[in-house]
Amino acid sequence: DVKVTQSSRYLVKRTGEKVFLECVQDMDHENMFWYRQDPGLGLRLIYFSYDVKMKEKGDIPEGYSVSREKKERFSLILESASTNQTSMYLCASSLRWTGGVGTQYFGPGTRLLVL
Amino acid sequence: GQQLNQSPQSMFIQEGEDVSMNCTSSSIFNTWLWYKQDPGEGPVLLIALYKAGELTSNGRLTAQFGITRKDSFLNISASIPSDVGIYFCAGRNTGGFKTIFGAGTRLFVKA
Repeated sequence: DVKVTQSSRYLVKRTGEKVFLECVQDMDHENMFWYRQDPGLGLRLIYFSYDVKMKEKGDIPEGYSVSREKKERFSLILESASTNQTSMYLCASSLRWTGGVGTQYFGPGTRLLVL
Repeated sequence: GQQLNQSPQSMFIQEGEDVSMNCTSSSIFNTWLWYKQDPGEGPVLLIALYKAGELTSNGRLTAQFGITRKDSFLNISASIPSDVGIYFCAGRNTGGFKTIFGAGTRLFVKA
């Protein structure tokens, strides 16, 4: 079975802090994703990576950056956390296939509260 | 950009009842997906649909890919308490990396 793990289930940070969210997958997937989930808005894509050191902006990249130094690990960074970044953050991974992106497998999520 | 309208937003039903939820889009998709998210967990794929008109079942779940490629529905028959959660529809097109998600249908089942 595919396993996607996220470093923390719950985090509480203060405004202005730098925050690192880590995601690791164990199925050698090429693609990795970071989403945020807010009530009534569904899942919105923050960033996507299709290979080591490669990244693409999603729909809401402002205030976030990412790092993919190893294939299995994809980090989301909040350079200076703000209260409007309080949310549930979901990491996902998928195989790359000729049609584009394969089925995404999600981690359990990190619930971030910024005070 | 592409958006999905998922309805209803929430449903409160009695155990044993059948449930239906749907998703519509202003543009076409090549793939429709249905995910379920249990409380405190990440979404898990239930059914994937790849062809217009396709009807696919997974146990008590049945989903269809609309003929126009702009809609999909999910039915759950004989609901049980463990069906509680949020159900997301999602659409995707060949060659792209983006999967567009609906806002979710939150299902409550009373025993």
